[in-house]
Amino acid sequence: SYDLTQLPSVSVSPGQTASITCSGDGLGDKFASWYQQRPGRSPVQVIYQDTKRPSGIPERFSGSNSGDTATLTISGTQAMDEADYYCQAWDRSGYVLFGGGTKLTVL
Amino acid sequence: QVQLVESGGGVVQPGRSLRLSCAASGFTFRSHGMHWVRQAPGKGLEWVAFISYDSTNTYYADSVKGRVTISRDNSENTLYLQMNSLRPEDTAVYYCAKVLYDFSMDVWGQGTTVTVSS
Repeated sequence: SYDLTQLPSVSVSPGQTASITCSGDGLGDKFASWYQQRPGRSPVQVIYQDTKRPSGIPERFSGSNSGDTATLTISGTQAMDEADYYCQAWDRSGYVLFGGGTKLTVL
Repeated sequence: QVQLVESGGGVVQPGRSLRLSCAASGFTFRSHGMHWVRQAPGKGLEWVAFISYDSTNTYYADSVKGRVTISRDNSENTLYLQMNSLRPEDTAVYYCAKVLYDFSMDVWGQGTTVTVSS
């Protein structure tokens, strides 16, 4: 089965750049999305179609996807960005996958 | 505003059934595919099922295939998840989510909790 792999945790200092990666065979040939989930809250989409930001998502969130890796980049990370982040993709059989999630700590 | 409100969760014994509902408002429900996604306590997101805007296509995760049916009533702006033969491992918060592009999920509900326990 197809898997998406994320590091369990990433730490970043306030104001610095955080990079959260998602790996899967040929992921660059699929569209990747990213979701932010704060504790006790529903997920919120922050990136779709690899690089696009939904309305209302700050410009400091950006995405890329090439080869086997999709990356969510948060520039000028703020304390409010501390959350779990999940990547998501789908294959042509209609099967939707999530990565295992990355806990971003801002310290 | 765009809103999804899940209901129908609760505590149920193993082997029993439950039907979840998701009431949609603020957008043209009949024009969008929909997902159910679940999250077990302390765990990550797990996709459960998808239904196309007109119900012609449905897809299921292997973990629920044969036990779960996704459906929708476009006249009532409501999405459903019929869950049968429930197992303890089905215990989770269940979210419905609206499809934007390429199966991605641009709006999520607040979730409804299902607990399978004797």
